[in-house]
Amino acid sequence: KAGVTQTPRYLIKTRGQQVTLSCSPISGHRSVSWYQQTPGQGLQFLFEYFSETQRNKGNFPGRFSGRQFSNSRSEMNVSTLELGDSALYLCASSRQIQETQYFGPGTRLLVL
Amino acid sequence: KNQVEQSPQSLIILEGKNCTLQCNYTVSPFSNLRWYKQDTGRGPVSLTIMTFSENTKSNGRYTATLDADTKQSSLHITASQLSDSASYICVVSPVSSASKIIFGSGTRLSIRP
Repeated sequence: KAGVTQTPRYLIKTRGQQVTLSCSPISGHRSVSWYQQTPGQGLQFLFEYFSETQRNKGNFPGRFSGRQFSNSRSEMNVSTLELGDSALYLCASSRQIQETQYFGPGTRLLVL
Repeated sequence: KNQVEQSPQSLIILEGKNCTLQCNYTVSPFSNLRWYKQDTGRGPVSLTIMTFSENTKSNGRYTATLDADTKQSSLHITASQLSDSASYICVVSPVSSASKIIFGSGTRLSIRP
């Protein structure tokens, strides 16, 4: 069974631009969560989706948004990028909410 | 406020030695507690998962323990190998699905030959 995949793996953007990251969960998994990881802050929860509905949201500004499609694939969007948005963005999937999450390799975003 | 605190922040041990990582939490009640291993530049990988009623769970050379009374968990690594060098993250899931999963800040473990 294929693991969680994320695209792109690496991305370079400039301040003010927007970016869309994609996550394909493990087949059969309906819950997808997004995390931001920086060296200073560790893993920070962004949001969680289940059956196309956002179930939980972390403490991030409205520039960060996401959605989930009917096939459980998910995207997250960051608008008006700031230098501080440079981070590793991780997606994790699980069969149900609160079950073991399986992480993808992440998308490393660099904002210049 | 629900919190998960890990100690030590970083640790260096010699190959072949054992070590124990600590996780203290205030999340209560909780559904499960997990330990993840994260290699540099990669996503975390689940090592163990324990419900509140379990007090130990093993996965090869990794053994996690849970003391629900003191709200402490530990991850013991036996006969360390160079490949054990990674960050180890403790994660606690509250019972309420409306509450967020809480991640510890991790322990950075380095194994020296």
